[in-house]
Amino acid sequence: EPEVTQTPSHQVTQMGQEVILRCVPISNHLYFYWYRQILGQKVEFLVSFYNNEISEKSEIFDDQFSVERPDGSNFTLKIRSTKLEDSAMYFCAIRDQYFGPGTRLLVL
Amino acid sequence: KQEVTQIPAALSVPEGENLVLNCSFTDSAIYNLQWFRQDPGKGLTSLLLIQSSQREQTSGRLNASLDKSSGRSTLYIAASQPGDSATYLCAVCSNDYKLSFGAGTTVTVRA
Repeated sequence: EPEVTQTPSHQVTQMGQEVILRCVPISNHLYFYWYRQILGQKVEFLVSFYNNEISEKSEIFDDQFSVERPDGSNFTLKIRSTKLEDSAMYFCAIRDQYFGPGTRLLVL
Repeated sequence: KQEVTQIPAALSVPEGENLVLNCSFTDSAIYNLQWFRQDPGKGLTSLLLIQSSQREQTSGRLNASLDKSSGRSTLYIAASQPGDSATYLCAVCSNDYKLSFGAGTTVTVRA
């Protein structure tokens, strides 16, 4: 079973700052996903990434968000100018089953 | 757009009772359905995955059924234990591996 790690586990940032969340799968995969879960709410789909391109994005995934696979192994989610409402747990996933432990983001 | 609903939102039972958690979804064109467990402030642990061609899946005290035509799945947990206390999430997977989650059922098992 592939293992997925995410860094950092926790991040606190000031509103308006840029954050980069990282996801590292142990083995090579083609399908990557980012989900987020605001405290007390549903897990929501953000974006899917297939073969180094965005294949689908939700209405949440606006111009402040971007994803990259800069070096063929890391998979990153960047939020350019964070807002208070971006505070959430962000999960990276490979395909439909393998979830990372999450990054808890707090925007102050 | 796939909508996933879980009933009840919360459940409290004495230890030893069987648990029944319900999930319904609006679009029957699914790839699979999964049940996850989430402890407070933690990540997602996959418990059971039922392929769209299957009717049920079992693991230990857990059994999940799937009725794709009616858009329903049920998770049964036999002989509940305090360690089963958690939030259980139902997630429906579409053909592009994207998951749509329900809001979850929060289970408390009283010792």
